[in-house]
Amino acid sequence: EAGVVQSPRYKIIEKKQPVAFWCNPISGHNTLYWYLQNLGQGPELLIRYENEEAVDDSQLPKDRFSAERLKGVDSTLKIQPAELGDSAVYLCASSKLAGGYNEQFFGPGTRLTVL
Amino acid sequence: AQSVSQHNHHVILSEAASLELGCNYSYGGTVNLFWYVQYPGQHLQLLLKYFSGDPLVKGIKGFEAEFIKSKFSFNLRKPSVQWSDTAEYFCAVTPSSNTGKLIFGQGTTLQVKP
Repeated sequence: EAGVVQSPRYKIIEKKQPVAFWCNPISGHNTLYWYLQNLGQGPELLIRYENEEAVDDSQLPKDRFSAERLKGVDSTLKIQPAELGDSAVYLCASSKLAGGYNEQFFGPGTRLTVL
Repeated sequence: AQSVSQHNHHVILSEAASLELGCNYSYGGTVNLFWYVQYPGQHLQLLLKYFSGDPLVKGIKGFEAEFIKSKFSFNLRKPSVQWSDTAEYFCAVTPSSNTGKLIFGQGTTLQVKP
């Protein structure tokens, strides 16, 4: 069974540029999560999807961040414009169903460096 | 607000030494508890989990964790570490009633010397 796929794995951009990250969850997983992991910290949830609906985006900075999950499968997270403080690892995870009893499977992450 | 605290940021052990990593959480209700591990160059993966029942849970690779409700703790243990256990370890909590939002601790980097 293929795991969660993310691309790109690394991205270096100048500040004020836009950037997008892509995630393909495990087949059959209805719930998709985007997490932000700063250096030396644990992941923090940005947004959670159940199918194509964003059901928890309270931690997403909506002035510059946006996300979509068209057709309830893969998802894109965008930052526009990027700031220096956005340098971090962006993790995607998926689970079969929502709820705290469902194991979340993580992708390898995208490491973003903003110069 | 709910939070998770991992007391040890960086632990260095020799092979065959015993390991205990501390994890405390703040939440008054029923919780589900997890330990995730990230080996160098790899993605986060689940080590073990506790939902209910026996508070001593066993995970992969000889790891175990004990849930002590009165202390709001979920410490990770291994009686004898190996060089291959070198990794970053994250404790995470989600309220049982919640729809899956994991709250992570800041992580502990374990370095095992051969």
